[in-house]
Formats: sequence, structure tokens, C-alpha cells
Amino acid sequence: AQKVTQAQTEISVVEKEDVTLDCVYETRDTTYYLFWYKQPPSGELVFLIRRNSFDEQNEISGRYSWNFQKSTSSFNFTITASQVVDSAVYFCALSEAFTGGYNKLIFGAGTRLAVHP
Amino acid sequence: ETGVTQTPRHLVMGMTNKKSLKCEQHLGHNAMYWYKQSAKKPLELMFVYSLEERVENNSVPSRFSPECPNSSHLFLHLHTLQPEDSALYLCASSQGPNNEQFFGPGTRLTVL
Repeated sequence: AQKVTQAQTEISVVEKEDVTLDCVYETRDTTYYLFWYKQPPSGELVFLIRRNSFDEQNEISGRYSWNFQKSTSSFNFTITASQVVDSAVYFCALSEAFTGGYNKLIFGAGTRLAVHP
Repeated sequence: ETGVTQTPRHLVMGMTNKKSLKCEQHLGHNAMYWYKQSAKKPLELMFVYSLEERVENNSVPSRFSPECPNSSHLFLHLHTLQPEDSALYLCASSQGPNNEQFFGPGTRLTVL
């Protein structure tokens, strides 16, 4: 069965610190997709990244970076030099390759990040 | 309007009321979703429509009734709700299989 575990319920850091949000997943498929979303206090989930299971290259986008390790079934997210605007709940999600016309996402419980000035 | 919009943003209703939540996507996507997000619970997928046909219904009580009149609009009709139905209801859309979903801002529902 598919499962996503975000063991860190809440993280609190001071501005400019680096912070890593952990995501561990379970799946029996060899083809699958991993996602990260950000949910600021306004409520809307904002898409951050999509990664397929055949692409293990790490990705960097500005202050954000993602480390995908199939050997440990992890897809961790690091924010470098955190800012107050990074305060939000972050969700990791998984979907198995699917031939239907839509996407079945399994979400983790989320990690609440608080960045203090 | 761009992206995914939802109205109303906030709704307070009594247990005997009937109301509807509306979602509209301006992205040309062919799938739309309703999620429920309660405090202390993970995101729960309620319904999925693909090409205007309901393809997923995850054991949602019949007091929630979805409607998808076309590929751009999705409704969630509510009647005789319970206080435990108070939550943030999120709509999302996507294009094709395995692609990211784009979410609306949600409707914060309170049932008295």
C-alpha cells in the first residue's frame, strides 16, 4: 500500500537558518511520482515540485532544494537561509503511475514550519 | 481570473440548511477534485471527476453531493450537515495522469 510519512509535526527556526523537512514514502510500484506542496496561512496549497521515480538528480530552485534517494525511499526538502515568509505547512505527496485520466495523490500529514525573525 | 477559484471563502451554516460550494478552474484541465482538510487529520480525498465523469467517491456520506456540469466547474452540495463536517474544503484540478494538482484557496465551513 502507498504511504507517506512526515515524521516532523512542527519545526521552529530563526530566520536565516537552514531547515530540512523529511519525507519517507512506501510504494510497491517501480514508477511513481513525488510532490511537495506549501500551504501558507491563507489555506491554498501551492505546488512546489514534481519528481518521477526515474530521476534521482537533486534539484535546486533558489533557496529550495530537494534530495531524492530511492535507496532510503526519501524525498527531503531543504530551505536555505529561511525567511519569515517560508512559515507554512509543507506537504509531501506520492502518486503511483496510473493510466486513468487523473492523478491519485497520497498526502503526508504535513510539517508546520515556523520561521521567527 | 486565473488558476482555481472557490466561492464562498467562508460559510457558516446550521445543520438543517442547504448550501453549495463552487469551484472554477481556468487552466483547461480535465480532472477536478474535492478534498476535506480537518484539524489534526491529513488531507482526505472526497471525490474525483475526470472528463466530467465521477471516478472516485471515497466513502463520503450522502449529505455531500458533488456535481460537475462541465470541465471547468465543480460544485459540492451540502445538506443536513453535522458539526464534525466543519473543515476547510479544497478544490483542485489537473491535466492528465500523474501530473500535479493545482488547488484553490478553499472554503472554510463551520456547521453550528
